[in-house]
Amino acid sequence: SQQGEEDPQALSIQEGENATMNCSYKTSINNLQWYRQNSGRGLVHLILIRSNEREKHSGRLRVTLDTSKKSSSLLITASRAADTASYFCATEASGGGADGLTFGKGTHLIIQP
Amino acid sequence: EAQVTQNPRYLITVTGKKLTVTCSQNMNHEYMSWYRQDPGLGLRQIYYSMNVEVTDKGDVPEGYKVSRKEKRNFPLILESPSPNQTSLYFCASSLWGAGRSQYFGPGTRLLVL
Repeated sequence: SQQGEEDPQALSIQEGENATMNCSYKTSINNLQWYRQNSGRGLVHLILIRSNEREKHSGRLRVTLDTSKKSSSLLITASRAADTASYFCATEASGGGADGLTFGKGTHLIIQP
Repeated sequence: EAQVTQNPRYLITVTGKKLTVTCSQNMNHEYMSWYRQDPGLGLRQIYYSMNVEVTDKGDVPEGYKVSRKEKRNFPLILESPSPNQTSLYFCASSLWGAGRSQYFGPGTRLLVL
């Protein structure tokens, strides 16, 4: 079943600006992950944040997690044309769960040169 | 190089003609999974496997079969494909346990006429 819901569905910004995407989910989680997908290609893991963490950084990426609101945000700073892609959040339910990750529908990000 | 491979990458077939999409990983991962991706629906899990000879249904298993006879391989079988199985399919693998990120294959684009 669909767990994460990304917002907005699509986002277009100018190169150099910051891009923020949000994800909401419904049940208790062990961790939340963000993936990137270039058009028609496989997903690539970007960053993982555990349920006991509030913020995490990786290069130009900053992820926050608010478990009380069941939401997360992904911030990409100083965007580049190469950041154009779809971004998905994925949740791993509490208790491990043999069924792995549940993905949202994604945010399509377009960086205008 | 650590990778997940899928074959074929593109396939056009006709209704009812059995087909198999192969998936192989070289990372000695216990966990493997199949997803389909459709516009507006995101990624939905078809089947997953926690280890050799251990498989279970995901969210949309109807019309599909899988097997896990070897750790590295996890083929997806469509016994009698129908047009509603036209989709982009992804295989993914990961280590078993909490906090695992998934490695995705490049995808197989299937068209059923």
